[in-house]
Amino acid sequence: QVQLVESGGGVVQSGRSLRVSCAASGFTFRNYVMHWVRQAPGKGLEWVSVISHDGGTKFYADSVKGRFTISRDNSENTLYLQMNSLRADDTAVYYCARGNTGNYLDAFDIWGQGTMVTVSS
Amino acid sequence: DIQMTQSPSSLSASIGDRVSITCRASQTISNYLHWYQQKPGKAPELLIYAASSLQSGVPARFSGSGFGTDFTLTISSLQPEDSATYYCQQTYKAPRTFGQGTKLEIK
Repeated sequence: QVQLVESGGGVVQSGRSLRVSCAASGFTFRNYVMHWVRQAPGKGLEWVSVISHDGGTKFYADSVKGRFTISRDNSENTLYLQMNSLRADDTAVYYCARGNTGNYLDAFDIWGQGTMVTVSS
Repeated sequence: DIQMTQSPSSLSASIGDRVSITCRASQTISNYLHWYQQKPGKAPELLIYAASSLQSGVPARFSGSGFGTDFTLTISSLQPEDSATYYCQQTYKAPRTFGQGTKLEIK
């Protein structure tokens, strides 16, 4: 079935780095735009980053620009988020989501279960 | 950035009630507006895309309307399983901003 599975979360010290991954299955990964969205404990959803289907175009939220890097490996059907210079306010559940273009107007129609990243001071 | 403002922030309603949640964009977004449902400890799920199109598998009691800057999510007859937080989102421009959420509780 169509599925996204995140991994790589954990506890990391402030200022350090962490990479989270999102493995896709059940659909042609290379055909879709992919996003990262995060949710701090008890808070709402915050869009983080997007990457085009071929990896050539990327955008970031101002809150992570210059610190986070989104990438993808279409041969491995995997999306990545490299997070550097982590801060306490980066603590959140990180979700990957598929952006469905065309009639869906880039609505996020498939979401992973999320991976928790905790930044400790 | 386009700001998305939902109202109310929370509401309580009874089984069978008709419930509406509104979402206002800080600038026109055509119909690039989507609604998600999130239950505690779970990932969000797409309910409505392009303002008024029902996602496959979503019960027909959910509907969406609006265009431009003002949008509404309506649940025609509230069911126990509808207790959740609902978010609107615009994908008209980057960044793809979400509303702050509306927490719906069942009386």
